[in-house]
Amino acid sequence: DAGVIQSPRHEVTEMGQEVTLRCKPISGHDYLFWYRQTMMRGLELLIYFNNNVPIDDSGMPEDRFSAKMPNASFSTLKIQPSEPRDSAVYFCASSFSVTGVDGYTFGSGTRLTVV
Amino acid sequence: RKEVEQDPGPFNVPEGATVAFNCTYSNSASQSFFWYRQDCRKEPKLLMSVYSSGNEDGRFTAQLNRASQYISLLIRDSKLSDSATYLCGQAGTALIFGKGTTLSVSS
Repeated sequence: DAGVIQSPRHEVTEMGQEVTLRCKPISGHDYLFWYRQTMMRGLELLIYFNNNVPIDDSGMPEDRFSAKMPNASFSTLKIQPSEPRDSAVYFCASSFSVTGVDGYTFGSGTRLTVV
Repeated sequence: RKEVEQDPGPFNVPEGATVAFNCTYSNSASQSFFWYRQDCRKEPKLLMSVYSSGNEDGRFTAQLNRASQYISLLIRDSKLSDSATYLCGQAGTALIFGKGTTLSVSS
């Protein structure tokens, strides 16, 4: 299995631009999670899906952030418009269960820099 | 108040030392806890799950203290390769993580 695949690995964009981050979960995993990691705030849960349905988006910072999962093998996290404070590493993870009994498998992350 | 709190460190120890980290949590209803390891500029990876009283895997021992609402990670005979950031995770609904504790093992 190739694991959780995220793209792009790095993204540098100008303030005000739209940014789209992509994730392909492990086949068979019913849960998909988006996290954001910064030095100040650590690893924060943004949103998670179960069987392609958003379950909890209470961690999404504001309306500029949106996430979709159109099918079991693909999810996107979009920021529009982007701001410098959105600079962070964004991780996607997938799992068989929400409690992580078998652990969450994380992708390599997208390092986003907004200038 | 953040749900999961960790001492950020860094913990600087020599090879062969024993080191312990604690992690406190606020959700007393949680049944599952985890330790993840994160290398510099890499993704977190599951190190150990912590259920009921604890778990042991080689040089690593994780324990849960429900009365005081903390979990601990003990690393014996530290290796250079143990240098990393260790994230504590608590399962409420999805996993919530602490900010991590940085360990640096030197020769």
